[in-house]
Amino acid sequence: EVQLVESGGGLVKPGGSLRLSCAASGFTFSSYRMNWVRQAPGKGLEWVSYISSGSSFISYADSVKGRFTISRDNAKNSLYLQMNSLRAEDRAVYYCAREKVETDHFYFDYWGQGTLVTVSS
Amino acid sequence: SYELTQPPSVSVSPGQTARITCSGDALPKKYAYWYQQKSGQAPVLVIYEDSKRPSGIPERFSGSSSGTMATLTISGAQVEDEADYYCYSTDISDDDRVFGGGTKLTVL
Repeated sequence: EVQLVESGGGLVKPGGSLRLSCAASGFTFSSYRMNWVRQAPGKGLEWVSYISSGSSFISYADSVKGRFTISRDNAKNSLYLQMNSLRAEDRAVYYCAREKVETDHFYFDYWGQGTLVTVSS
Repeated sequence: SYELTQPPSVSVSPGQTARITCSGDALPKKYAYWYQQKSGQAPVLVIYEDSKRPSGIPERFSGSSSGTMATLTISGAQVEDEADYYCYSTDISDDDRVFGGGTKLTVL
């Protein structure tokens, strides 16, 4: 059974930093592209960042570019999101999501339960 | 940046057919996907590649796409189908991973 379990959320002051983790199990983690998606309270889903299976390709939403860093450790079956210079608008539930790749398209097929990040003084 | 547009809300009575639309300029060339999110839960894929249903998703859920519009149809909606529904796709160059704004489905 595919499982994705996020951790590391919490309360942080504006300008502070936080590192999220996502522990994967039930599949060959090193073979899959992974993403972070967030959801502000009462708002919709927003894609945040993507990393290829071997970490060669990475991309970010404009809203987090230069402040967030995605990484992974395939030996530990783990995905990370280092969040720096946090702002009030970064407050959200952060989900890690596995990306399924077909011949010419891709989508999120499994999601974790999310971890809440609150940015407040 | 690329955008997908959904109506904010749709309301039906139990047993009626609910239709949720998603419009985007790249949809003639890109698949649409639909996620269901119940309150306090993670999203769940209910339709992929415009019209395919993952295992475990009830047959009352179906999808279609024509031109710049994709549609999620719930035939004979049940109270347990009340949720937020999000369409997802990519821009024409696959650079942007984009969700629609979400549609709140009320069944009562």
